[in-house]
Amino acid sequence: SQKIEQNSEALNIQEGKTATLTCNYTNYSPAYLQWYRQDPGRGPVFLLLIRENEKEKRKERLKVTFDTTLKQSLFHITASQPADSATYLCALGAYGNNRLAFGKGNQVVVIP
Amino acid sequence: SAVISQKPSRDICQRGTSLTIQCQVDSQVTMMFWYRQQPGQSLTLIATANQGSEATYESGFVIDKFPISRPNLTFSTLTVSNMSPEDSSIYLCSATKGLGTGDEKLFFGSGTQLSVL
Repeated sequence: SQKIEQNSEALNIQEGKTATLTCNYTNYSPAYLQWYRQDPGRGPVFLLLIRENEKEKRKERLKVTFDTTLKQSLFHITASQPADSATYLCALGAYGNNRLAFGKGNQVVVIP
Repeated sequence: SAVISQKPSRDICQRGTSLTIQCQVDSQVTMMFWYRQQPGQSLTLIATANQGSEATYESGFVIDKFPISRPNLTFSTLTVSNMSPEDSSIYLCSATKGLGTGDEKLFFGSGTQLSVL
């Protein structure tokens, strides 16, 4: 069956360091992958999209990689700040239907 | 961008009753969706709300339990019918402004926290 795996343990990281999150998937052939941020009591907010033919995408302090051979995406937050503390969700999709499949999310706690 | 307002933000309901959740978008969107987020679980797509026609439901979700309306391009409702404690969850409305290529980002409302006693 299809699976999207994100680490269930919270990532505690010191302010200023780089946080790295992993999204692994099995029995999927996604055309693209998206990352969202979710704060408590709020809906997810879109951060980045990376397509299957792209290796890396950057946006300000965020970087995403996508390895279709390893079936894995890495999400990096460089120079992390306490305001980056949140849960980060990866989502996989195929062209043509907007129906995303989400992982459970990985919580990040940035310690001042 | 799009701002999505959902109401109610939370409710506590009795078993056997129904609750209708409203979703209003501040601008026209092409597609609207309803998700469920149970504690410790991933977002699960319930259905795609289609304007002027019946919603398209995902496997495991049926219209009798989760009737959905979308009378225009900016508004949709989800009803959770004949509720049981297993329906306790966060329900999220989302939308996209994409052209249907499938890779557009989703906008989400803040969710409705439903507790069924």
